[in-house]
Amino acid sequence: KAGVTQTPRYLIKTRGQQVTLSCSPISGHRSVSWYQQTPGQGLQFLFEYFSETQRNKGNFPGRFSGRQFSNSRSEMNVSTLELGDSALYLCASSSGGGVTQYFGPGTRLLVL
Amino acid sequence: GEDVEQSLFLSVREGDSSVINCTYTDSSSTYLYWYKQEPGAGLQLLTYIFSNMDMKQDQRLTVLLNKKDKHLSLRIADTQTGDSAIYFCAESPLSGGYNKLIFGAGTRLAVHP
Repeated sequence: KAGVTQTPRYLIKTRGQQVTLSCSPISGHRSVSWYQQTPGQGLQFLFEYFSETQRNKGNFPGRFSGRQFSNSRSEMNVSTLELGDSALYLCASSSGGGVTQYFGPGTRLLVL
Repeated sequence: GEDVEQSLFLSVREGDSSVINCTYTDSSSTYLYWYKQEPGAGLQLLTYIFSNMDMKQDQRLTVLLNKKDKHLSLRIADTQTGDSAIYFCAESPLSGGYNKLIFGAGTRLAVHP
């Protein structure tokens, strides 16, 4: 089975812009979670989508949003980018009822 | 509250055993996990343990769980240079379902000859 894929792998944006990141889960997995990884804050949970519905949400401002499509692919969007949004954004998939999550390679976002 | 703590750095000699420790705060956590991250890569699931277990062994990896003290450890036997990476401990609080993981800051393992 192919693993979790994320596109793009690297992205450079400027403050005030918006960005959309994409995640394709492992085939058959219906749950997609997003995490932000920064040197200062570590790994933090953003949100989880299951069957096109947001099932769980972390403590991030409303500038961070996501969605999931009927094929389980997910996108996350960050509007009005700030310098502090520079991070590695990781997506993870699971079967939904399972206890294990498998992570993609991440998208590294740099905000200038 | 939800918090996971790990020591930040561990250095071992090749062939020795490594023990990485972690403490967590949420007693409702049903599963606890160990992930590995190599430079420039995502997270690789190494192993996990259900909260009603004391120990789990998987080849070179042994996980010990002391639920009373909320202490989790990962032992890597016969540590190799390829084991050099950052190791993250994570808990899954019951309130978040299985898929909201709370991670520690990670322990950087350096293996030297």
